[in-house]
Amino acid sequence: DAGVIQSPRHEVTEMGQEVTLRCKPISGHNSLFWYRQTMMRGLELLIYFNNNVPIDDSGMPEDRFSAKMPNASFSTLKIQPSEPRDSAVYFCASSPGQGRAEAFFGQGTRLTVV
Amino acid sequence: GQSLEQPSEVTAVEGAIVQINCTYQTSGFYGLSWYQQHDGGAPTFLSYNALDGLEETGRFSSFLSRSDSYGYLLLQELQMKDSASYFCASQNQAGTALIFGKGTTLSVSS
Repeated sequence: DAGVIQSPRHEVTEMGQEVTLRCKPISGHNSLFWYRQTMMRGLELLIYFNNNVPIDDSGMPEDRFSAKMPNASFSTLKIQPSEPRDSAVYFCASSPGQGRAEAFFGQGTRLTVV
Repeated sequence: GQSLEQPSEVTAVEGAIVQINCTYQTSGFYGLSWYQQHDGGAPTFLSYNALDGLEETGRFSSFLSRSDSYGYLLLQELQMKDSASYFCASQNQAGTALIFGKGTTLSVSS
């Protein structure tokens, strides 16, 4: 398996634009997580899905953020409208579930909002 | 809610042993994990403790004490390539989502 695949790797956009980040989890994994990493706040859990169903989105900072998982092999994180304070590295991770602890991270999307 | 505390920085020399501590406060707790992240890279899984005691994986070991809400990562025979950030993470009440500490930056010098 190629691991968790995220796209794009880098995104530069202007304030007010819509941004869509994409993630393909490892095949067979039941859980998917979106994290945001900044120097100030570290790795923050935004939302996680179990069997394609959102379980906890309490980490989503504002209504400008939304996430979907239409099937087991694809998820999106959308920011609309984007703001400069959204600049961060966004990681997607998947986990086998069933009591296994390890999560496998994608390489991340570095988002810069100017 | 959950919170995990770990030191922000640790320095050591090649060949030494270093211990990175993590204390946690959680409303539910299933286990403690450790992740390594090199600059510009993604976090990678190192170790997991669900039960009290020591888990050993090569040069790295991890320890958990549930009664003390405390764990640590022990790195032995340090190498320059071990310079990275190390995160402890706990599973929430549902036993799935990982909540991460702020990370400890380890600098290994020659």
